[in-house]
Amino acid sequence: QVQLVQSGAEVKKPGASVKVSCKISGYSFTSKYLHWVRQAPGQGLKWMGMINPTGGRARYARNFQGRLSMTRDMSTSTVYMDLSSLRSEDTAVYYCARARETSGHYYFDYWGQGTLVIVSS
Amino acid sequence: SSVVTQEPSVSVAPGQTAKITCGGDNIDSQSFHWYQQKPGQAPVLVVYDNSDRPSGIPERYSGSKSGNTATLIISRVEAGDEADYYCQVWDRITDHYVFGSGTKVTVL
Repeated sequence: QVQLVQSGAEVKKPGASVKVSCKISGYSFTSKYLHWVRQAPGQGLKWMGMINPTGGRARYARNFQGRLSMTRDMSTSTVYMDLSSLRSEDTAVYYCARARETSGHYYFDYWGQGTLVIVSS
Repeated sequence: SSVVTQEPSVSVAPGQTAKITCGGDNIDSQSFHWYQQKPGQAPVLVVYDNSDRPSGIPERYSGSKSGNTATLIISRVEAGDEADYYCQVWDRITDHYVFGSGTKVTVL
């Protein structure tokens, strides 16, 4: 069955970087785009960006430009989300999600379990 | 990017019907998708492409769209339907994926 398994919780100091992994299994790694979505405590869902596992090309939401990097490792079917220059507002649960497309419209049919990142001095 | 709005909360008695709406600008030609999120859990897709249901989602969940507004309908509401619900759409102007503000459904 399709599974997206994320790395464990992280505690980081302001200014540091965090790298969260998302290991895929149960389907062909290169067949679907993968996205990252975050959710601050008590808040809604916010799209961060996406990566095409085939070529590794990524695209980021404007709010994260310059601080966000998404990469993938084909040998382990894993995608990574790297967020730098962390500030307290980056405290959130980070989710990876698989995108599925029908008639040109994309939605997220499988999600990782989420990774809590706490930014605190 | 577009702002996609939902009512903050909906309360419904068991067995009744809950309706959640989602609307915004620059999204009239797009498909709406809906997610259910229970506390401490990842979101779950419940409706895609305005009105289609993934396998495993009860028929009690349905969706519709008119113009730039979509509606998620939960029929014969049960206690287990209590959750936050988010719509999602693609903003063609910014080429970003946008989530609605979320609706908390409370079963009385």
